[in-house]
Amino acid sequence: ELKVEQNPLFLSMQEGKNYTIYCNYSTTSDRLYWYRQDPGKSLESLFVLLSNGAVKQEGRLMASLDTKARLSTLHITAAVHDLSATYFCAGKPGGYNKLIFGAGTRLAVHP
Amino acid sequence: SQTIHQWPATLVQPVGSPLSLECTVEGTSNPNLYWYRQAAGRGLQLLFYSVGIGQISSEVPQNLSASRPQDRQFILSSKKLLLSDSGFYLCAWSLLHRLLNTEAFFGQGTRLTVV
Repeated sequence: ELKVEQNPLFLSMQEGKNYTIYCNYSTTSDRLYWYRQDPGKSLESLFVLLSNGAVKQEGRLMASLDTKARLSTLHITAAVHDLSATYFCAGKPGGYNKLIFGAGTRLAVHP
Repeated sequence: SQTIHQWPATLVQPVGSPLSLECTVEGTSNPNLYWYRQAAGRGLQLLFYSVGIGQISSEVPQNLSASRPQDRQFILSSKKLLLSDSGFYLCAWSLLHRLLNTEAFFGQGTRLTVV
């Protein structure tokens, strides 16, 4: 059974700083997803990572996947207040058409 | 383009009352459909998913049930709500069974408070 663990669960960042959110998963996952959730809102898709070594970037966010280590990272560069949100990673167990989510990382960016 | 509709947006129900949440998808056919629940300040728990009409997979034993009477309609129900059923319910769809590079897309959610 696929389990997805994120850390840290809460991250307080200063504007302009860099940081990384980690996502470990327990068994083989066909692919890895990153989502963003603003308070009280639904989830917005950020990245889909399909293969080992995949790297995707959008603005100040960059996601990567290492399938051998069963690890994905979401790197934040020069954080700004607008990035304050909760970030989720999710995996897809092989042979199943479902997504299993991590607990989420609540990111707060302050001046 | 594809859209997903979920209603109602908020709901306050007494303990022991029934529940029916509805989700419909437009602009695609034969999607995978999902119900997730998010407790306050917590992650997403997969409750049910469906790969076709009448096909429901239950992920967590609980007080809820799901049905898919039409290809693009997914309903979450309960006969008698418990306080522990409170949470943010999210419907989602995907084409994971047909497209490799795709993700799940979420509705706007229903915030359910059981009192």
